[in-house]
Amino acid sequence: NAGVTQTPKFRILKIGQSMTLQCTQDMNHNYMYWYRQDPGMGLKLIYYSVGAGITDKGEVPNGYNVSRSTTEDFPLRLELAAPSQTSVYFCASSYGRNTEAFFGQGTRLTVV
Amino acid sequence: GENVEQHPSTLSVQEGDSAVIKCTYSDSASNYFPWYKQELGKRPQLIIDIRSNVGEKKDQRIAVTLNKTAKHFSLHITETQPEDSAVYFCAASTWDDKIIFGKGTRLHILP
Repeated sequence: NAGVTQTPKFRILKIGQSMTLQCTQDMNHNYMYWYRQDPGMGLKLIYYSVGAGITDKGEVPNGYNVSRSTTEDFPLRLELAAPSQTSVYFCASSYGRNTEAFFGQGTRLTVV
Repeated sequence: GENVEQHPSTLSVQEGDSAVIKCTYSDSASNYFPWYKQELGKRPQLIIDIRSNVGEKKDQRIAVTLNKTAKHFSLHITETQPEDSAVYFCAASTWDDKIIFGKGTRLHILP
């Protein structure tokens, strides 16, 4: 099993550009999450999903969108990139409620 | 909204001594409390978790305690070793299936 795979690992965007961060898992997990990690600020939840076709906002959803059309994939969309979105983004998945979350290797995004 | 507070933000202990990290949470419906370790440049990885039906859990040198009345839980690392140096995050589940993290504690093990 590959676990949770994120692409790309690094990306530089210009202000106003758009991009999609890809996340896929091969563990048949129902729950998936997107977090952003800023220095000294821990992990902030952007969006999460408890199953295919279901998504919910987390703590910091503004400026982002997600979709969950399959169990395996949970892409994160940035429509109009802003410098405040410079961060490390982690995708995670878990089998169900109150179970261990497995993280991807992260995507380091810089908006200039 | 739901919140998890974590203290201290930085902790330095002598090798062989114990380290304690404390967290409080706001959602009274929280019933799952995982702890993650993140080494520099790596992804967070679960080291121990506890559910609300128990007050304490141990795994070798690591233990977690939970006080639901006070909405407080703690991580205890005994006989610290150089490889324990990392950032540690506490987290708590919420009534609506979120997992909310604290801001992290950077643990330094001094030789």
